[in-house]
Amino acid sequence: DGGITQSPKYLFRKEGQNVTLSCEQNLNHDAMYWYRQDPGQGLRLIYYSQIVNDFQKGDIAEGYSVSREKKESFPLTVTSAQKNPTAFYLCASSWDRGWRGTEAFFGQGTRLTVV
Amino acid sequence: DAKTTQPPSMDCAEGRAANLPCNHSTISGNEYVYWYRQIHSQGPQYIIHGLKNNETNEMASLIITEDRKSSTLILPHATLRDTAVYYCIVRGDQAGTALIFGKGTTLSVSS
Repeated sequence: DGGITQSPKYLFRKEGQNVTLSCEQNLNHDAMYWYRQDPGQGLRLIYYSQIVNDFQKGDIAEGYSVSREKKESFPLTVTSAQKNPTAFYLCASSWDRGWRGTEAFFGQGTRLTVV
Repeated sequence: DAKTTQPPSMDCAEGRAANLPCNHSTISGNEYVYWYRQIHSQGPQYIIHGLKNNETNEMASLIITEDRKSSTLILPHATLRDTAVYYCIVRGDQAGTALIFGKGTTLSVSS
């Protein structure tokens, strides 16, 4: 089945440790995105990437890093510099050309808890 | 910042139509209106999008006013499974434009 997969669904880490969240898509989409969601809030954009080896910061990029070495993969690293890392993280992908449709497809999210 | 304004919450009786409004008074000519919904603790799900004409698919209808400053998402026969947060998003069609989410409308469907 085509889709976007995030793993793991739940992740626990100790304060001060870096942690990497996985996001893989087999939809052949050009663009990929990472969002953060806090309880009762909307989604906030962390990073996005239009093509391989290129990415742009979103509204809340501080304390996060990403890579886009393959079209299918867009991992997010939550570094120890992120002051409040506990949150629900969502990955999405879409075509990046309007004529093919630009609706984004989301993964089911990773809930990160830092203790 | 989100370019849209939505009521924080709405209620609807099961089987009735749910009409969710959205204001986007600063929308520009090349920007589309997108609707997504998020059921608790899941990733958002695409519903529908449009530019200036009304649109309908198997999930919903989208009515956009002639001046494009507001729109309404219509779920024709709401069910309990439609209880979710609904997000109205304005997005340009150029390459590299990400979706910017506001706080959305929490729709509660009750029997």
